[in-house]
Amino acid sequence: ETGVTQSPTHLIKTRGQQVTLRCSSQSGHNTVSWYQQALGQGPQFIFQYYREEENGRGNFPPRFSGLQFPNYSSELNVNALELDDSALYLCASSLPQGDNSPLHFGNGTRLTVT
Amino acid sequence: SQKIEQNSEALNIQEGKTATLTCNYTNYSPAYLQWYRQDPGRGPVFLLLIRENEKEKRKERLKVTFDTTLKQSLFHITASQPADSATYLCALPTDSWGKLQFGAGTQVVVTP
Repeated sequence: ETGVTQSPTHLIKTRGQQVTLRCSSQSGHNTVSWYQQALGQGPQFIFQYYREEENGRGNFPPRFSGLQFPNYSSELNVNALELDDSALYLCASSLPQGDNSPLHFGNGTRLTVT
Repeated sequence: SQKIEQNSEALNIQEGKTATLTCNYTNYSPAYLQWYRQDPGRGPVFLLLIRENEKEKRKERLKVTFDTTLKQSLFHITASQPADSATYLCALPTDSWGKLQFGAGTQVVVTP
């Protein structure tokens, strides 16, 4: 079974630019969640997608947006990048089997904003 | 607001000993709690889930307890090995769709 894959692994952008991060979910998983992890912190929930619709959002501004495609892959877009957006961005897929399906994470995209 | 606290100080432990990590939470009544392991530069990996009606769960050398009265979970690694060195995260659900709030994690360093 194929795990969660994310691309690119590393990215350097300048403040004010826009970025798109990509994620392929684990085979058979139709729910994708995105998390932001700052250095020394735990992952923070950005939003979740289920059947191509946003299914809940954390405390992130509208310049963070996403998409889910029919094959369950997903994108995270961040506009007007700020220095504080520098972090590890993690994608996690799961089964929508109620509330105890564990998350399967990719290895993340390390974004640096200068 | 809901808060999760894990020991921010790294836990240094000798090989063969038992490592015990704490996860305390406030303003939560979780139906379950999860523990993840994260290695540097990698995504978290799911280890164990324990439900509110379970007092203890085991998986190989790992043991988790869950005390909903104390609002605390303990995570034990018995007979620790250098390969157990990693950061361990506890996570609680924020809704019925499996969205999780994570603690900041505790780093464990096992020395031979």
